[in-house]
Amino acid sequence: RKEVEQDPGPFNVPEGATVAFNCTYSNSASQSFFWYRQDCRKEPKLLMSVYSSGNEDGRFTAQLNRASQYISLLIRDSKLSDSATYLCVVNRRYGGATNKLIFGTGTLLAVQP
Amino acid sequence: EAEVAQSPRYKITEKSQAVAFWCDPISGHATLYWYRQILGQGPELLVQFQDESVVDDSQLPKDRFSAERLKGVDSTLKIQPAELGDSAMYLCASSSTAQPPYEQYFGPGTRLTVT
Repeated sequence: RKEVEQDPGPFNVPEGATVAFNCTYSNSASQSFFWYRQDCRKEPKLLMSVYSSGNEDGRFTAQLNRASQYISLLIRDSKLSDSATYLCVVNRRYGGATNKLIFGTGTLLAVQP
Repeated sequence: EAEVAQSPRYKITEKSQAVAFWCDPISGHATLYWYRQILGQGPELLVQFQDESVVDDSQLPKDRFSAERLKGVDSTLKIQPAELGDSAMYLCASSSTAQPPYEQYFGPGTRLTVT
């Protein structure tokens, strides 16, 4: 079983739709959580951090449930430019001060006109 | 905005040849990471440096891969000899560990094709 699991998609949605991505992680030592966005053949870029209290950035809302080890990303009013792969990422501390990012395989979103 | 620099952007090499990639992290970032990303998968950590020291190379195939960050700034990742299965995107990232949550910033990557 992978440490971070995501539905690979693809999610094909029309413009203006609301879409939700889910992610689960298996290691309870995970400390911080992120969503990264990766465009085709480009590098991953940080989209937003995820906090237990939930956080919102414009049309994007991220939620964390530590008890269920579950992370979500909600995108409202989808735009064509939202088409990308969304990577769920957890940061785990190990060996004292060392931190390691563990990436999911990503969920592909295709927003259709 | 400061960026992580990588070169080359693309590299085609024949199997059994040697290949090297270079990374210059964001100025002041003490932690540097090399990842490998195979198509359809998420990035996987190969090696992590804190300044000039390796803190994690558990996933680095040490029989053929080596990495160094001699002065604690830029870094080189080498593969010798390259194998067909090494074809992938090699990403460098850096982060400041000054405070959580340790966000990492990625360079544009080097896309390696081994023929």
